[in-house]
Amino acid sequence: GQQVMQIPQYQHVQEGEDFTTYCNSSTTLSNIQWYKQRPGGHPVFLIQLVKSGEVKKQKRLTFQFGEAKKNSSLHITATQTTDVGTYFCAGLPSGGSNYKLTFGKGTLLTVNP
Amino acid sequence: ETGVTQTPRHLVMGMTNKKSLKCEQHLGHNAMYWYKQSAKKPLELMFVYSLEERVENNSVPSRFSPECPNSSHLFLHLHTLQPEDSALYLCASSQDNWVEVLSRSGETQYFGPGTRLLVL
Repeated sequence: GQQVMQIPQYQHVQEGEDFTTYCNSSTTLSNIQWYKQRPGGHPVFLIQLVKSGEVKKQKRLTFQFGEAKKNSSLHITATQTTDVGTYFCAGLPSGGSNYKLTFGKGTLLTVNP
Repeated sequence: ETGVTQTPRHLVMGMTNKKSLKCEQHLGHNAMYWYKQSAKKPLELMFVYSLEERVENNSVPSRFSPECPNSSHLFLHLHTLQPEDSALYLCASSQDNWVEVLSRSGETQYFGPGTRLLVL
């Protein structure tokens, strides 16, 4: 079945440093979504990427979707303590069910003030 | 955020108990989902309902039984669970807009706060 690999599993940074998490799918994706889960909280939708090579920005967050629609990345510039949490990518496989998002294991980001 | 609510928030049950988890969404969505989140594992999709019809069942053991009486409510009935079933159970909903379904542009999912289940 489809697999979505996400690296790194953990990342600890000093406040102000940049952070990147990468997501790779074993199959081509129709779209990819990113979610953030704060400690003790639930996943909250951040963004969706649909087009090959798409880049979207939300303030200090930059999201990219690969040309082959099999990989994606989330980059945070100048991290803040409010960025702490686990970032998940979730891919919808091409040609499959419209409901079966496959989630990566997530990257847990901790920020040292 | 109160769009998707779940009760109870915490549950401890023995292996012979029967309990139910409840999810309610106030967003006017047509699709609802149950996910299981265990430590060090990806979010696992369990069931999907669209307009009260089950559209996905991800090979979930029969000790988990979903029920969707209407598009706003979703239940997960639990019986004779095992300790390895201890996890955070998350409910989610999505609009299930037919334009998005047909165009495969994807559906944003809105998650509830989850029920943290411990099976002893």
